[in-house]
Amino acid sequence: AQSVAQPEDQVNVAEGNPLTVKCTYSVSGNPYLFWYVQYPNRGLQFLLKYITGDNLVKGSYGFEAEFNKSQTSFHLKKPSALVSDSALYFCAVRVFSGGYNKLIFGAGTRLAVHP
Amino acid sequence: NAGVTQTPKFQVLKTGQSMTLQCAQDMNHEYMSWYRQDPGMGLRLIHYSVGAGITDQGEVPNGYNVSRSTTEDFPLRLLSAAPSQTSVYFCASSLGAADQPQHFGDGTRLSIL
Repeated sequence: AQSVAQPEDQVNVAEGNPLTVKCTYSVSGNPYLFWYVQYPNRGLQFLLKYITGDNLVKGSYGFEAEFNKSQTSFHLKKPSALVSDSALYFCAVRVFSGGYNKLIFGAGTRLAVHP
Repeated sequence: NAGVTQTPKFQVLKTGQSMTLQCAQDMNHEYMSWYRQDPGMGLRLIHYSVGAGITDQGEVPNGYNVSRSTTEDFPLRLLSAAPSQTSVYFCASSLGAADQPQHFGDGTRLSIL
């Protein structure tokens, strides 16, 4: 079955330290991968995507993600965390079913950045 | 630039009542989707549409109906509300190509008593 896994419910980081939010996927064919962020009482906002090309993709707010085909992973990273990065982060993969493409989301990881 | 607009923001219903959650987008996007968000479960796809007049079921369609008479609007109908439908509902839209990100509304928080 096609799926996305975010193995950590919560990640705690001190401000200024690097952060990593993990994501692994299981899809057939080449994956289209996305990261979204959700702030309290708001909808999801697009951060970055991997479609093809360089394995390291850069996105909004200084975030980047590394695509690793052999490990079927797409971890989100940032060199220096900010308190304002505290939010809920979702990894998603595009799948093709019934002739149309749809997004499958992971369960989400809550990032808490402490001063 | 409004993007995706959902109304209402909050709603409380009694079991058995029906209601319609509204969603409108002003970006001329072909794809529109409805998700529900429950703690620890991420977002689950309820119904989606790839254009006016075309809808299909997602992962959790039971108890919900949709229609897409225009490109802009994609309402979600709860036929007979049940406590299990207590959730936060998100509408999203995107261009049709698979590499395009989705744009989300701010959600409707629905409680069924």
